[in-house]
Amino acid sequence: AQSVTQPDIHITVSEGASLELRCNYSYGATPYLFWYVQSPGQGLQLLLKYFSGDTLVQGIKGFEAEFKRSQSSFNLRKPSVHWSDAAEYFCAVGGSRRGGADGLTFGKGTHLIIQP
Amino acid sequence: GAGVSQSPSNKVTEKGKDVELRCDPISGHTALYWYRQSLGQGLEFLIYFQGNSAPDKSGLPSDRFSAERTGGSVSTLTIQRTQQEDSAVYLCASSLEYYEQYFGPGTRLTVT
Repeated sequence: AQSVTQPDIHITVSEGASLELRCNYSYGATPYLFWYVQSPGQGLQLLLKYFSGDTLVQGIKGFEAEFKRSQSSFNLRKPSVHWSDAAEYFCAVGGSRRGGADGLTFGKGTHLIIQP
Repeated sequence: GAGVSQSPSNKVTEKGKDVELRCDPISGHTALYWYRQSLGQGLEFLIYFQGNSAPDKSGLPSDRFSAERTGGSVSTLTIQRTQQEDSAVYLCASSLEYYEQYFGPGTRLTVT
């Protein structure tokens, strides 16, 4: 069965500092990997995705993530955070079967706090 | 363009009552997904539709849960005889390409 681990429940970063959120996945085949962000009372917004090809993927809002197969990781990074980045971040994995019958498996989320 | 919409945004119901939650996907999206988000369980996948058919209903938490999709568009998630453990945010997503899912704002269900 597929699973996602986000080891950090909370992370506090100063505004303007760099950010890295960790994500480790378990999946038997080639994974499709995603990062979503959720602001309070809002739905999930897709930040970026990895399907294949270049292992460094760029997303919206200045975020990027790097797929490392050897470490089963897909960490999210941003060079300089803004106060508006404070939110809950979810890593998710999906299988490579067509059809999508198993949906996405999400991690428990990392709550990002931005200090002024 | 318009995103995924869900209604109602909030629903408070008494234990034992039935509820219906509605999802309007992005126009043209063939796939539609339902998830549940709760403090204890995080985000759980419930069911997926390709067109009007749901190939696998095993993710539904119990036989009190059912879902349908008509006309390849709107979907409803029905919970019969609601229980307190059904309290959660129910999220709907749709996609054109497999796995690039776009989420709605959710319906917050509170069972009293």
